[in-house]
Amino acid sequence: SQKIEQNSEALNIQEGKTATLTCNYTNYSPAYLQWYRQDPGRGPVFLLLIRENEKEKRKERLKVTFDTTLKQSLFHITASQPADSATYLCALDRGNNNDMRFGAGTRLTVKP
Amino acid sequence: GAVVSQHPSRVICKSGTSVKIECRSLDFQATTMFWYRQFPKQSLMLMATSNEGSKATYEQGVEKDKFLINHASLTLSTLTVTSAHPEDSSFYICSARKGTSSTDTQYFGPGTRLTVL
Repeated sequence: SQKIEQNSEALNIQEGKTATLTCNYTNYSPAYLQWYRQDPGRGPVFLLLIRENEKEKRKERLKVTFDTTLKQSLFHITASQPADSATYLCALDRGNNNDMRFGAGTRLTVKP
Repeated sequence: GAVVSQHPSRVICKSGTSVKIECRSLDFQATTMFWYRQFPKQSLMLMATSNEGSKATYEQGVEKDKFLINHASLTLSTLTVTSAHPEDSSFYICSARKGTSSTDTQYFGPGTRLTVL
């Protein structure tokens, strides 16, 4: 069966450090992979999209990698801040328009 | 930026009643709207996809007659939970997409917390 696994339910890091979140998948061939941020009691907010033929994508302090051989995406937040504390979701899309599937998320806490 | 609203944000109802949740794209026309539900500490589960003017496409295991979806215009979709029961208590989130491509950004609403007593 198809699985999308995010490495840990929770991750605690110190302010200023780099947070690295992992998204692994099995029995899936995504054309795109997206990362979202979700705050408690709110809907997800889109952060980055990376295509299967792209290795890496950056946006300000965010960096995403996509390794289709390892079936894994890494999401990095550099120079983390307490305001980065939230749940981060990865979502995989096979590219047939209406088929995006989410991981359960990793709750990141950045301590001052 | 693109804004999606949901109403109500919270609703508490008695078992057996029906609840309607509205999802609106405020500053853009949404070709496609999606409805998700999310249980605590779990991922968003896609319930159905709707295109304006046509019937919704439901995911496997989602009862069409229980979760009625209407996408009457390019800015409004509604989800009606009929004869709600306590197990329907969840966080319901809609999203809207401007275009038809998977690379078009989905903009999510703030969610509706449904509690069925």
